[in-house]
Amino acid sequence: ILNVEQSPQSLHVQEGDSTNFTCSFPSSNFYALHWYRWETAKSPEALFVMTLNGDEKKKGRISATLNTKEGYSYLYIKGSQPEDSATYLCARSGNTGKLIFGQGTTLQVKP
Amino acid sequence: DVKVTQSSRYLVKRTGEKVFLECVQDMDHENMFWYRQDPGLGLRLIYFSYDVKMKEKGDIPEGYSVSREKKERFSLILESASTNQTSMYLCASSLEGQGTDEQYFGPGTRLTVT
Repeated sequence: ILNVEQSPQSLHVQEGDSTNFTCSFPSSNFYALHWYRWETAKSPEALFVMTLNGDEKKKGRISATLNTKEGYSYLYIKGSQPEDSATYLCARSGNTGKLIFGQGTTLQVKP
Repeated sequence: DVKVTQSSRYLVKRTGEKVFLECVQDMDHENMFWYRQDPGLGLRLIYFSYDVKMKEKGDIPEGYSVSREKKERFSLILESASTNQTSMYLCASSLEGQGTDEQYFGPGTRLTVT
């Protein structure tokens, strides 16, 4: 994998459903993996920064896991709420602070 | 709270015009970035700066230049705007040049070139 890839591109779920999406990235020379949430009409905001293989981070109902050996990260949302509707971006960083973003997963949670 | 502001939320310019997009951050961050976001393509890095008067090209620098005369301000310049530069432009800053530093984003400028 040369670039950062996210799947699916978009997702529609009902309120209360749990959901997850995937970020795939080149595993060689890995430094860190970032997740951002971008709500409509707002600025992207950082959710997690992960560095270690097997890392798991949690913020409320949202959690993320990291596998640096195989080059993927999962983002999980438990019991989705309408306010979780947003585009979720992952990005891989080198040691310079530059980020390479995936194309994002847009989540729509229907009440 | 870190605040990153951008000079305009919406901008309409004509083909061939010189366009300036301004970004200001208030937390003494070393690094600043300019991205553009297009449907299906995610955020793509245009230029970034790791210090005053220092800049480096990102992935798509063609047709753009930047200026960083003061630490808090990073300007993106479209020398001669073209219709394919119609896009959402986002500025961001981070504390240092560490890969673990989160980036703080501005609200974006939606530029339309007619």
